[in-house]
Amino acid sequence: QQQVKQSPQSLIVQKGGISIINCAYENTAFDYFPWYQQFPGKGPALLIAIRPDVSEKKEGRFTISFNKSAKQFSLHIMDSQPGDSATYFCAARTTGGANNLFFGTGTRLTVIP
Amino acid sequence: NAGVTQTPKFQVLKTGQSMTLQCAQDMNHNSMYWYRQDPGMGLRLIYYSASEGTTDKGEVPNGYNVSRLNKREFSLRLESAAPSQTSVYFCASSLSSNTYNEQFFGPGTRLTVL
Repeated sequence: QQQVKQSPQSLIVQKGGISIINCAYENTAFDYFPWYQQFPGKGPALLIAIRPDVSEKKEGRFTISFNKSAKQFSLHIMDSQPGDSATYFCAARTTGGANNLFFGTGTRLTVIP
Repeated sequence: NAGVTQTPKFQVLKTGQSMTLQCAQDMNHNSMYWYRQDPGMGLRLIYYSASEGTTDKGEVPNGYNVSRLNKREFSLRLESAAPSQTSVYFCASSLSSNTYNEQFFGPGTRLTVL
């Protein structure tokens, strides 16, 4: 059972447009929500992360919006560029216990010049 | 600094063969992890080592064993490979298993089991 549900599976955006990827979860024990970016043939790399005590975090063109009551969070990429073309994974992690990072299924983003 | 390195990059096995995937990190991290990545499934944790001398099962441990050889190295062994183990395997490390510590990933090993 997928602990973190991610959509869409793929996304095509024009250069300069806004890319939006959504994730949802059920486990209220999750306490940390990172987003990873993965280029073909490479390992995932941390892009941006948020804790549930804030509703938004912005780093450059990348913003995470977090809705704790709805158990949803999303990644917004402003002014999308061809170099942003990659697969994006949302994830969620619990404190303590088995210390597991649960990943969404990924979104393949293509930014068209 | 090389970060997290993995060997080999590619491997083809026949059903029933065994092999060990190697992982090393040079960031003086305490915690290390093994994930597998399958299409449409994201990444799933196989085993992790919170600190040198300890290992624990993750979400999908069946068919695998691990060894934390020292602080730098964490290996993953397939004793009798099965086609269901065809996947891309990623090793990762973090300063500690604290929730907020970033995990750094290696470049992956693409394994095919025929």
